[in-house]
Amino acid sequence: DTAVSQTPKYLVTQMGNDKSIKCEQNLGHDTMYWYKQDSKKFLKIMFSYNNKELIINETVPNRFSPKSPDKAHLNLHINSLELGDSAVYFCASSQRTGSGYTFGSGTRLTVV
Amino acid sequence: GNSVTQMEGPVTLSEEAFLTINCTYTATGYPSLFWYVQYPGEGLQLLLKATKADDKGSNKGFEATYRKETTSFHLEKGSVLVSDSAVYFCALINSNSGYALNFGKGTSLLVTP
Repeated sequence: DTAVSQTPKYLVTQMGNDKSIKCEQNLGHDTMYWYKQDSKKFLKIMFSYNNKELIINETVPNRFSPKSPDKAHLNLHINSLELGDSAVYFCASSQRTGSGYTFGSGTRLTVV
Repeated sequence: GNSVTQMEGPVTLSEEAFLTINCTYTATGYPSLFWYVQYPGEGLQLLLKATKADDKGSNKGFEATYRKETTSFHLEKGSVLVSDSAVYFCALINSNSGYALNFGKGTSLLVTP
């Protein structure tokens, strides 16, 4: 059983489209995160949710909207995709104080 | 705010050479410190961690010691393998960051036979 699973693994789409990436964890963690890894491999936090409540909302365009229907799921919806959104997006989960941090395998988004 | 600084790469070593990747941090309080590794085309794997001063994290022959006096967490390995070729990330968490990981920019390591 995969602890943190993201779908899809690869996503190629045209500029202007709207897309979603899904994330699910079966570890019983109460906090979930989205990170973005750019073309230079730099990793930066985008959002975190604790028990469905938004905790961290970094300086991210409002075209990005996270949604957490329950504490085991955190989806990322992106509207009006731009070339600069091309990156690898990682989902992660942990306990509230950061213990047990576990990453998903990533979603490589390519906007053409 | 928090920040993590790693040595710039790429680092190229011959197999069996000694590896050091420097990492220093700025943070309030007592952060937990981590090294993550990303092999080509793969996700992030936790390599080792330390949660308090003078703790030594170790795994797969890699070691790092939490040095509060120098705010450092340098990664070392005595004898690298070709299979250690990857990107290595130093990171920290604390309550200031809402327990989100603050990553360094990553250091690419290439080990040649």
